[in-house]
Amino acid sequence: QQPVQSPQAVILREGEDAVINCSSSKALYSVHWYRQKHGEAPVFLMILLKGGEQKGHEKISASFNEKKQQSSLYLTASQLSYSGTYFCGTGNAGNMLTFGGGTRLMVKP
Amino acid sequence: DTGVSQNPRHKITKRGQNVTFRCDPISEHNRLYWYRQTLGQGPEFLTYFQNEAQLEKSRLLSDRFSAERPKGSFSTLEIQRTEQGDSAMYLCASSPLTGPSGYTFGSGTRLTVV
Repeated sequence: QQPVQSPQAVILREGEDAVINCSSSKALYSVHWYRQKHGEAPVFLMILLKGGEQKGHEKISASFNEKKQQSSLYLTASQLSYSGTYFCGTGNAGNMLTFGGGTRLMVKP
Repeated sequence: DTGVSQNPRHKITKRGQNVTFRCDPISEHNRLYWYRQTLGQGPEFLTYFQNEAQLEKSRLLSDRFSAERPKGSFSTLEIQRTEQGDSAMYLCASSPLTGPSGYTFGSGTRLTVV
């Protein structure tokens, strides 16, 4: 079952914050976050494991709520370079991922 | 290390023809994955190798698709009797064997079936 991401799209001004959510109907083993720019391959951002931990550094971080079966990606003080499509991927023990439909983020000057 | 390499970058083929794509993963990575992505969608899982063993294959994948990873190094994905619905970006990714770890994706092969 594909995880559900929300919102589907968001437009920000430089310096604004954003939250992207990822919800799964299945128990989560791990959650990955990737960013894909137009015409390029997805780039790995971070991975979260069971335990409700929050990971990340500086302005991009994420949380993982095992009970609610969801993860959130936090983008703080957004920069133009943050523009792209963000995908969450829910992983199993074999590290195989099922990706969500993506959230398109546009940061404007 | 040059990352994950995929060839060709683009492939245009006529319906009914066979096509083969190649993926060279990061040399230390034992896990290799193939995904398919269409415009505006997230990557869709196709198949997974651990070393040379194909451990998982999507149930959505028809018998026209086959993948190999001889000697646990590079991998090939073949599509036989291509259909217009096969048009997509085919992404290869690799990751280390130990524990959950992030994928390194290749730049993909864009297939257009005319």
